[in-house]
Amino acid sequence: DQQVKQNSPSLSVQEGRISILNCDYTNSMFDYFLWYKKYPAEGPTFLISISSIKDKNEDGRFTVFLNKSAKHLSLHIVPSQPGDSAVYFCAAPRKNAGNMLTFGGGTRLMVKP
Amino acid sequence: DAGITQSPRYKITETGRQVTLMCHQTWSHSYMFWYRQDLGHGLRLIYYSAAADITDKGEVPDGYVVSRSKTENFPLTLESATRSQTSVYFCASSEGSLNEKLFFGSGTQLSVL
Repeated sequence: DQQVKQNSPSLSVQEGRISILNCDYTNSMFDYFLWYKKYPAEGPTFLISISSIKDKNEDGRFTVFLNKSAKHLSLHIVPSQPGDSAVYFCAAPRKNAGNMLTFGGGTRLMVKP
Repeated sequence: DAGITQSPRYKITETGRQVTLMCHQTWSHSYMFWYRQDLGHGLRLIYYSAAADITDKGEVPDGYVVSRSKTENFPLTLESATRSQTSVYFCASSEGSLNEKLFFGSGTQLSVL
């Protein structure tokens, strides 16, 4: 039962363009979402989060949008840089399971110079 | 160095053997977690600990044992390794409640032959 899903396993974009990574969820009880970034041979690192009381949160080149009616969130990276090439995970705490974070399957982003 | 460290980085073992993965953090974070990363599944929580001597099961606890006698250490033991436990294992910690951002170690790549 994967309550957080990232349906695109990979995404390739040109340097300078926008990268859009998508995440869908099924549990309407989720009220907080996080994005993590992972480089090869390293652990994931926190990137940005959003509370369900907002529909947008921005941090520099990274913006997360939340559409609660569609149970969908997206991470926008503008402009994309080669150093952004990594695997991106969305995650949400499960309130019916002690708030443990449940992660999506990840999307591998490749930014071509 | 300060932070969260995992050892070993790589481990090869045989089915039926007992294996212990180590995790040490220097931040005095209350919460510690063990996740495994598998293709298509993202990160799945194995066990977590809210404080010394307090542990609880995550999504996929079968075949694993944890202990937390000291705040800074959270070892994960595979009592009798199986091929399905071949994975990359990440330890993480956080300061407060379970939905706060997690800080991950660099991971242990485990192969069970």
